[in-house]
Amino acid sequence: SQKIEQNSEALNIQEGKTATLTCNYTNYSPAYLQWYRQDPGRGPVFLLLIRENEKEKRKERLKVTFDTTLKQSLFHITASQPADSATYLCALRAGGSGNTGKLIFGQGTTLQVKP
Amino acid sequence: GAGVSQSPSNKVTEKGKDVELRCDPISGHTALYWYRQSLGQGLEFLIYFQGNSAPDKSGLPSDRFSAERTGGSVSTLTIQRTQQEDSAVYLCASSFMSPEQFFGPGTRLTVL
Repeated sequence: SQKIEQNSEALNIQEGKTATLTCNYTNYSPAYLQWYRQDPGRGPVFLLLIRENEKEKRKERLKVTFDTTLKQSLFHITASQPADSATYLCALRAGGSGNTGKLIFGQGTTLQVKP
Repeated sequence: GAGVSQSPSNKVTEKGKDVELRCDPISGHTALYWYRQSLGQGLEFLIYFQGNSAPDKSGLPSDRFSAERTGGSVSTLTIQRTQQEDSAVYLCASSFMSPEQFFGPGTRLTVL
């Protein structure tokens, strides 16, 4: 079955450093991959989408890479700030027939940026 | 503009009772999704509506769960004969012609 894995351990880094989060998947060939941010008590907020034919995508201090051979995506936050502290979720569009838009989510990695 | 709204924000119920959770998607969004998030876990897909097409119900965990979407807008998720394992945050999302999903704040359901 399709499976997505994110590092369940919290990532603690110092302000100003680059945070790198990992998303691995198996039994799957997604057309695209998304990253969402979730703050406590709130719904996820979309950050970036990267397609299977794209190696890298950037948005301000965020960078996402997508390696379909390794079946892995890396999510980077450069010049991290305490306000970046949150849980980051990786999501893949479910496979199978039909035009379903449902997403399969990883369990998320919690990032804590210390001042 | 207004985002996705959900009500109630919190719901406490007793085991065996039925509950209804409501989702108001962003106006004009044709796709609507329900997910469930248990404590410390990722989101679990429940059901997906797209326009007038038959919904994708493949994620509903049991026949106690059902959902409907009236007039292509508001959706209600109903859980009958609630069990303690149904306790979770229920999240609704909507989208229009894009993979990006816009989420509501969720309803926290606690079954005693």
